Amino acid sequence: ELKVEQNPLFLSMQEGKNYTIYCNYSTTSDRLYWYRQDPGKSLESLFVLLSNGAVKQEGRLMASLDTKARLSTLHITAAVHDLSATYFCAGPPGGGNKLVFGAGTILRVKS
Amino acid sequence: NAGVTQTPKFRILKIGQSMTLQCAQDMNHNYMYWYRQDPGMGLKLIYYSVGAGITDKGEVPNGYNVSRSTTEDFPLRLELAAPSQTSVYFCASNPGGTNYGYTFGSGTRLTVV
Repeated sequence: ELKVEQNPLFLSMQEGKNYTIYCNYSTTSDRLYWYRQDPGKSLESLFVLLSNGAVKQEGRLMASLDTKARLSTLHITAAVHDLSATYFCAGPPGGGNKLVFGAGTILRVKS
Repeated sequence: NAGVTQTPKFRILKIGQSMTLQCAQDMNHNYMYWYRQDPGMGLKLIYYSVGAGITDKGEVPNGYNVSRSTTEDFPLRLELAAPSQTSVYFCASNPGGTNYGYTFGSGTRLTVV
């Protein structure tokens, strides 16, 4: 059974700083997904990582996947207040289309 | 395109009552999912469907039922509501294949008292 663990679960950071959110998963998976959720809102798909070494970037966010280490990272560069949200990673147990989600990382960017 | 539409947005149920959460998508997606979100717990899969007429259980199906008579609609039925079913419920869809993330609906916040 696939387990997905994120850390940290809560992150408070200053504007302009860099930080990384880690997503570890327990069984072999060749892909990993990242989502963003604003408070009281729905989830929005951020990145789809489909192979070992995959790297995707959008704005100040960059996601990568290391399938051998069973690790994905979401790196935040020069954080701004608008990035404040909860970030989830998710992976497919045993392939297929259904996803197992991590608990989420609550990110607060302070000005 | 409206995407994934969920109704109602909020509902308060009494213990033992039943209700149906509606979910409709207009993107012709084959795959649809119901998740529940509890604080600090991420999302847990309740049921999913790979096409009209085909449904299967997820991680936490007890107390729920689904049907998929059309590609567009995937309602979730709660029978005999219990306080443990107090949660935010999200419906999602995707076209299938690995290249796509999910498109989520706006959610239904359900309180059972």
